[in-house]
Amino acid sequence: GESVGLHLPTLSVQEGDNSIINCAYSNSASDYFIWYKQESGKGPQFIIDIRSNMDKRQGQRVTVLLNKTVKHLSLQIAATQPGDSAVYFCAENGLGNEKLTFGTGTRLTIIP
Amino acid sequence: GAVVSQHPSRVICKSGTSVKIECRSLDFQATTMFWYRQFPKQSLMLMATSNEGSKATYEQGVEKDKFLINHASLTLSTLTVTSAHPEDSSFYICSARDATTNTDTQYFGPGTRLTVL
Repeated sequence: GESVGLHLPTLSVQEGDNSIINCAYSNSASDYFIWYKQESGKGPQFIIDIRSNMDKRQGQRVTVLLNKTVKHLSLQIAATQPGDSAVYFCAENGLGNEKLTFGTGTRLTIIP
Repeated sequence: GAVVSQHPSRVICKSGTSVKIECRSLDFQATTMFWYRQFPKQSLMLMATSNEGSKATYEQGVEKDKFLINHASLTLSTLTVTSAHPEDSSFYICSARDATTNTDTQYFGPGTRLTVL
């Protein structure tokens, strides 16, 4: 079936370093991708999104890369801070499909 | 912008009782809202899609008579867990799409922690 998954369930990064969180998806019809950040006991927070007609999009300290050839999505966080510690989920939906499919999540821990 | 609230944030109830959770879009109109549940250390699982003025669409395996959804206005959807049992204990999260923008982005509420004793 269709799925969205993550390569690494946990990731520890030294404060100030850059982090990269990866996500693989299997639905080649997916045309919209979102990264969410979820802190403990809270709802997911929108970080950045990208459509399939792009391969890169930048925000404040974050960059999302999309490789449609290998169905791979990544989130880069620059100069990580303690507040970046959270679980990060990728999500996708296909053309005409309003539902999001979530990946399994990666827990990012920033080491002081 | 794009703020979604949920109420209550936390509820503890006895087995057999019903619990209502509210989801509100505070600064935008949402023709479509979504209800998810999340177990510890797991991802979000979509339960149903709630459309304003019409019946909700439930995902496979989700009992519509147990999880009653009402979306009576463009800013409010409610989820009622009927005859709750301990296995219904979970983190329930709603999300909403902004009806005025041409975007598929879902904005999430802060979640409701339900504990059934």
